[in-house]
Amino acid sequence: SQTIHQWPATLVQPVGSPLSLECTVEGTSNPNLYWYRQAAGRGLQLLFYSVGIGQISSEVPQNLSASRPQDRQFILSSKKLLLSDSGFYLCAWSQRTSGGGYTFGSGTRLTVV
Amino acid sequence: AQKITQTQPGMFVQEKEAVTLDCTYDTSDQSYGLFWYKQPSSGEMIFLIYQGSYDEQNATEGRYSLNFQKARKSANLVISASQLGDSAMYFCAMREGVRSSASKIIFGSGTRLSIRP
Repeated sequence: SQTIHQWPATLVQPVGSPLSLECTVEGTSNPNLYWYRQAAGRGLQLLFYSVGIGQISSEVPQNLSASRPQDRQFILSSKKLLLSDSGFYLCAWSQRTSGGGYTFGSGTRLTVV
Repeated sequence: AQKITQTQPGMFVQEKEAVTLDCTYDTSDQSYGLFWYKQPSSGEMIFLIYQGSYDEQNATEGRYSLNFQKARKSANLVISASQLGDSAMYFCAMREGVRSSASKIIFGSGTRLSIRP
């Protein structure tokens, strides 16, 4: 069966520090991968998605970047965090050839101080 | 452009009553999918139910059913016999262009449902 792992679960980082959040999927190949951000009490905003290794599409201009170095690995990064980067970050995957829904990771709660 | 609207920021319902969570959507695509997700306080996103735009019957999954009214572009979630564990945030979502490998899901702003004992 397919599983998705996301870590760390919580993170407190000072302003100006770098960020690296990792997401990996097991039990499938060629997945579509997604990073979402959720501000407190709000909906989910799509940040990046990827349909293959090295293929990244950005939805919102921001202080973040994403990379996909391997088929089932998706990384969210920042060189210098801002206070506004605080939020709940969710990774998700879906079958590439399906119109079905996403399966989400457990999320990372990032607080920038 | 595609858009999802949930007009109920919060709802309180008595335990064992049925509850309807509203969702309207806007799309110019003929092929799309509609979803509902549940997000408890832990933050995880739990898939509840799916309705395809060409499905003629309303989707049902246990106590969850989706009241799909295509002409009105609405996809309301109905939870029958509500339970205390149903207290959570609920998101309506849509995926346009389901035949495209790059199609994406967008989410509404959510409805916080609280079940009273």
